[in-house]
Amino acid sequence: GAVVSQHPSRVICKSGTSVKIECRSLDFQATTMFWYRQFPKQSLMLMATSNEGSKATYEQGVEKDKFLINHASLTLSTLTVTSAHPEDSSFYICSARAWGTGGEGQFFGPGTRLTVL
Amino acid sequence: SQQGEEDPQALSIQEGENATMNCSYKTSINNLQWYRQNSGRGLVHLILIRSNEREKHSGRLRVTLDTSKKSSSLLITASRAADTASYFCATARQGGATNKLIFGTGTLLAVQP
Repeated sequence: GAVVSQHPSRVICKSGTSVKIECRSLDFQATTMFWYRQFPKQSLMLMATSNEGSKATYEQGVEKDKFLINHASLTLSTLTVTSAHPEDSSFYICSARAWGTGGEGQFFGPGTRLTVL
Repeated sequence: SQQGEEDPQALSIQEGENATMNCSYKTSINNLQWYRQNSGRGLVHLILIRSNEREKHSGRLRVTLDTSKKSSSLLITASRAADTASYFCATARQGGATNKLIFGTGTLLAVQP
């Protein structure tokens, strides 16, 4: 149990286009989902916390107008990278926290590799 | 920086040897978790230790936690080539509604066959 999927796994796009990444909890309801970004050979940096039915909370230095997050249901959160540029190329990973757990029970997706040409 | 620090940054050992990685963090925590990441892949949860625990075992893994020093260690015994990966600690802060995880800088472990 407790599987989180991401789609797509890889995406290549031209500079200036927008890219949407989906994060789904497949067999549990996720009240909270988290989005991370990981540059090559670096650690995961938390970008934002997404709560179902409310606005996302962004970490310092993350532009909310550039990285749009929507958590419309208890099983789906989306991250849209708007007007992507080469510096946005990165590995984006989501995680989902199951209902009623606090830090424990956080499950990670397999990641989405974004390459902006 | 919000991140914890891990050392060493990179570790190369021979198969069969033990590998020890250390993690230091900055805030009071509810728990500390260790994850493994193979190159270009997602994270695999290894073990979680709560703030009121001092040591925990899972198979070939042994984790210790010293909250007075704000540090943790991960020991992998009898290492195998398949253990080659990056290892990250992550802390869930005390307080706050979401208990978001803050990741350390990671240790790249290479186990030579």
